[in-house]
Amino acid sequence: DAGVTQSPTHLIKTRGQQVTLRCSPISGHKSVSWYQQVLGQGPQFIFQYYEKEERGRGNFPDRFSARQFPNYSSELNVNALLLGDSALYLCASSYTPAGSYEQYFGPGTRLTVT
Amino acid sequence: SQQGEEDPQALSIQEGENATMNCSYKTSINNLQWYRQNSGRGLVHLILIRSNEREKHSGRLRVTLDTSKKSSSLLITASRAADTASYFCATDVTGGSYIPTFGRGTSLIVHP
Repeated sequence: DAGVTQSPTHLIKTRGQQVTLRCSPISGHKSVSWYQQVLGQGPQFIFQYYEKEERGRGNFPDRFSARQFPNYSSELNVNALLLGDSALYLCASSYTPAGSYEQYFGPGTRLTVT
Repeated sequence: SQQGEEDPQALSIQEGENATMNCSYKTSINNLQWYRQNSGRGLVHLILIRSNEREKHSGRLRVTLDTSKKSSSLLITASRAADTASYFCATDVTGGSYIPTFGRGTSLIVHP
């Protein structure tokens, strides 16, 4: 079976622009979580969706939003990009809400804001 | 602040030696997970240990959990150069909404 896939792999944006990142979970997984990882730090939780409903939200501004589609894929949107948004964005899927069971991570999207 | 904090921040050993890294956390947890990350890529799940468990093994990996001390350790025996990676612990806080919180990680370098 295919693992978690994310697109695009790399992205360069300018301050003030908007970006959409995409994630496809492992087949059968109904929970998707998004993380931001700044260089040298651990992943920071942004959102979790389960069965298309938001189940958790981390300490991120309203510029960050996400949604989950009926096929359980997910999008992360970031508006009004700041230089500090430059990071590796990781998507993880699990069968049930993250934490109860192991998460499977995608390779990430490297976002650079200039 | 991070719920889980790994120690040491960096560890450098020779192939064949054992590597031990620790994770401390602040509040009661449901479970604790260890992950590995190679060169800024996606994380790979290693072991999940639940709060009512004290030790788990997986191949060359051994994880212990001491809930009274709010700490966990990951032991990699007979390390290999391929074990070179960053290792993170992630805790799931009791009463929380199943959100794993990651520490800053331990950077392990295994010299051939």
